[in-house]
Amino acid sequence: RKEVEQDPGPFNVPEGATVAFNCTYSNSASQSFFWYRQDCRKEPKLLMSVYSSGNEDGRFTAQLNRASQYISLLIRDSKLSDSATYLCVVNKPGGYQKVTFGIGTKLQVIP
Amino acid sequence: NAGVTQTPKFRVLKTGQSMTLLCAQDMNHEYMYWYRQDPGMGLRLIHYSVGEGTTAKGEVPDGYNVSRLKKQNFLLGLESAAPSQTSVYFCASRPSGILAGGPETTDTQYFGPGTRLTVL
Repeated sequence: RKEVEQDPGPFNVPEGATVAFNCTYSNSASQSFFWYRQDCRKEPKLLMSVYSSGNEDGRFTAQLNRASQYISLLIRDSKLSDSATYLCVVNKPGGYQKVTFGIGTKLQVIP
Repeated sequence: NAGVTQTPKFRVLKTGQSMTLLCAQDMNHEYMYWYRQDPGMGLRLIHYSVGEGTTAKGEVPDGYNVSRLKKQNFLLGLESAAPSQTSVYFCASRPSGILAGGPETTDTQYFGPGTRLTVL
């Protein structure tokens, strides 16, 4: 089983739609979880952290389910500018804060 | 404040040639990382450093060497390039320790713009 698994997509959704991505992780000792956004041919940038209590930032909501070992990202009222690849990132327990990146889920918002 | 910069942005090498990728950060971060990103695969850690003068191997270190002689710079070297090293290389940095603001402040990695390397 991969350390971090994501559906690569692509997810093609119309503007204004709600879309959700899931990501599963294998190490139950992981403590830090993040969603990064990567635009085509650009570097990854932090979108949001995922806290145990959930985290909301405008149209974006991230959730953590420790029992089932997955995190989710919900995007409401999708905009054309949301088109990007969303990377799930999970820390590796054991020091020096190494992390594992998922392969990313590609989102294409269409007019 | 430039953040994390990488040079060069693009490079084409022939098999067997050598080169050095430079990463520089002006945020006084302790930790620095080199990743490669290939289609269908997540970013994979090549080498990392937890401070000036220290380096350690990541998941895919073979064929690469690194040095961190100054805190702000992290160099990635390819001694004898191979076609399998064709990739996009990203450098990242992050602070150490616990900072106000929680994990989002401490654990976030800041990436450079990447170097696209082609080995023929």
